[in-house]
Amino acid sequence: EPEVTQTPSHQVTQMGQEVILRCVPISNHLYFYWYRQILGQKVEFLVSFYNNEISEKSEIFDDQFSVERPDGSNFTLKIRSTKLEDSAMYFCASKTSSYEQYFGPGTRLTVT
Amino acid sequence: LAKTTQPISMDSYEGQEVNITCSHNNIATNDYITWYQQFPSQGPRFIIQGYKTKVTNEVASLFIPADRKSSTLSLPRVSLSDTAVYYCLVGDEGSGAGSYQLTFGKGTKLSVIP
Repeated sequence: EPEVTQTPSHQVTQMGQEVILRCVPISNHLYFYWYRQILGQKVEFLVSFYNNEISEKSEIFDDQFSVERPDGSNFTLKIRSTKLEDSAMYFCASKTSSYEQYFGPGTRLTVT
Repeated sequence: LAKTTQPISMDSYEGQEVNITCSHNNIATNDYITWYQQFPSQGPRFIIQGYKTKVTNEVASLFIPADRKSSTLSLPRVSLSDTAVYYCLVGDEGSGAGSYQLTFGKGTKLSVIP
C-alpha cells in the first residue's frame, strides 16, 4: 500500500538555525499538508498546498515558515530561524480529491 | 467548525466491544463526521467517515442518530494493538473537493487491558 514518507525521523538543531523537513506524498495525490503536534498536545494544522500554491494556512504558519514542492515528488517545510517552541512532531499528509488524508510517520524536531 | 466533545480516556479489556461517543450539538447540514486513530509517535490514520445512520468497514462501525448531534464509534473485539487515541472530527470536508484542513481535538485515549 502506498504511504507518505518523511525524512529525517528526528532532527536536532540549535535555536536560530534553519531546518528543512522533507516529505514524499503519495504519488497521485493532489493536496498536501503540514501539521504539528507539540508533545502531549493536539495535532495542529499548519498549511495546505494545492496546485503549486498555499491554499490555507493557520496563524502558527508565520513568516518563519515556508513550503515548497521543488519537483514532482517532494514537499518540504522550512523553518527559517528555529525557536525553542518549534520543538514538536511535524506530520506531512496528502490526499486525492476524496476526503481521507494520509499522514506520514512524522519528523521529531528538537530545538536546543 | 462544529465543536466536538468526547471522553478524555477509556479502558477496556481485550475481546470486548468498545463504543466511543462524540457530541457535536452544532453540526451543520454540510458536515460529515470522521474518526481518526493515532498510535504513540505516529501520524493519525483515517478510520471511518459517515453522514447519517450507520457506516461499517473492516475496522469499525459508526452510528449516527437522526438528529446527528452525536455519533458513536464502535470497535468490535478490541485487542492490545487498538490502544491509541481516537479523534472525532466534524467538518464539511466530506465532499472531498477542496484542501480542507483537519481540526483535531484532544481525542479519547483508549487503553486496552489484557
